[in-house]
Amino acid sequence: SQKIEQNSEALNIQEGKTATLTCNYTNYSPAYLQWYRQDPGRGPVFLLLIRENEKEKRKERLKVTFDTTLKQSLFHITASQPADSATYLCALDNDMRFGAGTRLTVKP
Amino acid sequence: NAGVTQTPKFRVLKTGQSMTLLCAQDMNHEYMYWYRQDPGMGLRLIHYSVGEGTTAKGEVPDGYNVSRLKKQNFLLGLESAAPSQTSVYFCASSNTGNEQFFGPGTRLTVL
Repeated sequence: SQKIEQNSEALNIQEGKTATLTCNYTNYSPAYLQWYRQDPGRGPVFLLLIRENEKEKRKERLKVTFDTTLKQSLFHITASQPADSATYLCALDNDMRFGAGTRLTVKP
Repeated sequence: NAGVTQTPKFRVLKTGQSMTLLCAQDMNHEYMYWYRQDPGMGLRLIHYSVGEGTTAKGEVPDGYNVSRLKKQNFLLGLESAAPSQTSVYFCASSNTGNEQFFGPGTRLTVL
């Protein structure tokens, strides 16, 4: 069956460092993959979408990579700030299957 | 521009009671979705709609029904609530089926 795994349930890093979150999937060949941010008590907010023919996508301090051979997407936040603390979710294309999320905490 | 709104924000039901959750969007989006979010399980798609008058089942549709009589509204019904339906419910809408805009959620407890 199709499976999506976000490898770390929680990730703690120091302010200014780069946070790297992982999304792995099995038994699936998505045409694209999305990343969302969710703050406590709120709905997810869309951040980035990357298509299967794109290796990398950037938006300000965010960078997403998509490796269809490894069946993996990496989500990077450079120069992290305490305001980046949230749960980050990956989702696979039109099926909208979400991973369980990684809770990122950036410490000052 | 309110985006996606959900009514109610909180609700407590007894087992066997029924209720309807309302989702409204003012962005003229074609696609609308209902998800449930449980601890450690992420978001799971219940039902979705690709346009007014259409609905389709998602990953976990059992125990729920939906209707999309108007383009801007998507209703989620629980005919006979069960404790297993205790969850946070999110509605979302999309113009393209890609980027989704989520509502603030409804926290439902079934006793």
